Amino acid sequence: DIQMTQSPSSLSASVGDRVTITCRASQGIRNDLGWYQQKPGKAPKRLIYAASSLQSGVPLRFSGSGSGTEFTLTISSLQYEDSATYYCLQHHSYPLTFGGGTKVEIK
Amino acid sequence: EVQLSESGGDLIQPGGSLRLSCAASGFTLSNYAMSWVRQAPGKGLEWVSAFSGGGDGTYHADSVRGRFTVSRDNAKNMLYLQMNSLRAEDTAIYYCAKAGGPTFYKYGMDVWGQGTTVTVSS
Repeated sequence: DIQMTQSPSSLSASVGDRVTITCRASQGIRNDLGWYQQKPGKAPKRLIYAASSLQSGVPLRFSGSGSGTEFTLTISSLQYEDSATYYCLQHHSYPLTFGGGTKVEIK
Repeated sequence: EVQLSESGGDLIQPGGSLRLSCAASGFTLSNYAMSWVRQAPGKGLEWVSAFSGGGDGTYHADSVRGRFTVSRDNAKNMLYLQMNSLRAEDTAIYYCAKAGGPTFYKYGMDVWGQGTTVTVSS
């Protein structure tokens, strides 16, 4: 099974800050990775697909990068509405596996 | 508009059975891979089961294999999760999610339903 190690597990940042979240896969997954945002009481919403492609309708301040085993999600200028938990998902092989999540709080 | 709507969640005793349903609209279910994903209270996301698009391939997490079965009714555009021998640790919100193509490989999960709550307790 492919393990996804996500860091940090939580962070607190100010509006306007640049925020970076990392996922590391236990083996190479090419670019078969997505990033999801989940707000309390809501279903996850995909932000990034194929590691670096922006989902339609998602603000341009979100970006993804990486391939193989190291991936990052970057929020270039944090906004109040970005307060949420973020997850990565590898869909390279079964069982599909999620990272443990990163809770982003606004200072 | 592509939409997924889950139903069937309930309070059930340990050892009991439950069937969850996911109604798909705005697309033809049989052309896409579909999954069930769950989230225990206060915890992260856990993939549970998947059904491949265009065929009959099914996949299950080790934690539910032998107890849960995923199926679909193409005529009704519905996905199901039959859950047997339920345990307290199966308590979670269950989401259905659609792949961007006939497999999750390369396409990932693009659309999610709002979830249905399963509580396993005596």
